[in-house]
Amino acid sequence: GAGVSQSPSNKVTEKGKDVELRCDPISGHTALYWYRQSLGQGLEFLIYFQGNSAPDKSGLPSDRFSAERTGGSVSTLTIQRTQQEDSAVYLCASRLGASDTQYFGPGTRLTVL
Amino acid sequence: GQQVMQIPQYQHVQEGEDFTTYCNSSTTLSNIQWYKQRPGGHPVFLIQLVKSGEVKKQKRLTFQFGEAKKNSSLHITATQTTDVGTYFCAGQGSGTSYGKLTFGQGTILTVHP
Repeated sequence: GAGVSQSPSNKVTEKGKDVELRCDPISGHTALYWYRQSLGQGLEFLIYFQGNSAPDKSGLPSDRFSAERTGGSVSTLTIQRTQQEDSAVYLCASRLGASDTQYFGPGTRLTVL
Repeated sequence: GQQVMQIPQYQHVQEGEDFTTYCNSSTTLSNIQWYKQRPGGHPVFLIQLVKSGEVKKQKRLTFQFGEAKKNSSLHITATQTTDVGTYFCAGQGSGTSYGKLTFGQGTILTVHP
């Protein structure tokens, strides 16, 4: 596709359930990022993948959060045992290289009831 | 870790007035990027500044990168209602932090017609 796509666009889940959020980066982009944005807040860095290097997981808020990137393309962010404070918009972004423009997807709005 | 502070958090202006938002990093940056997020949308890249003291212009927008590469500003001349949104700066680190972007909290701009 022409841009970064994310699915689902909206996800409503019950507290304690696991959720998986998907990101399809722009084809050929080596860098992929996940961010979290709470209502009216800035972007909180979660995790960063660059090529075949070990991901930078320094932003993951707890061990309930994990992410993987298969084949250097699609990425999945998994949140286990969701809590109400996990409710936010989860944004994915990709870059051609480590110093290039970052392109954001439309985000997944997660609501934990 | 690297921190990027952005002020002001909110700015309300009358159409035609000027607007400025400022970013300060706790560490020297390799580059700084600016993004705009319209209400309900995702961040969209505006510009990247790389060189110490660099100034770039896009129509009514002027971007500056400080001499020490730790601060930056975005100035909009004669605001229009289409300028409404949240403006984020994002600092890119160096060394082992290269590739990771740290976002400021954003400045929410409201323009009254």
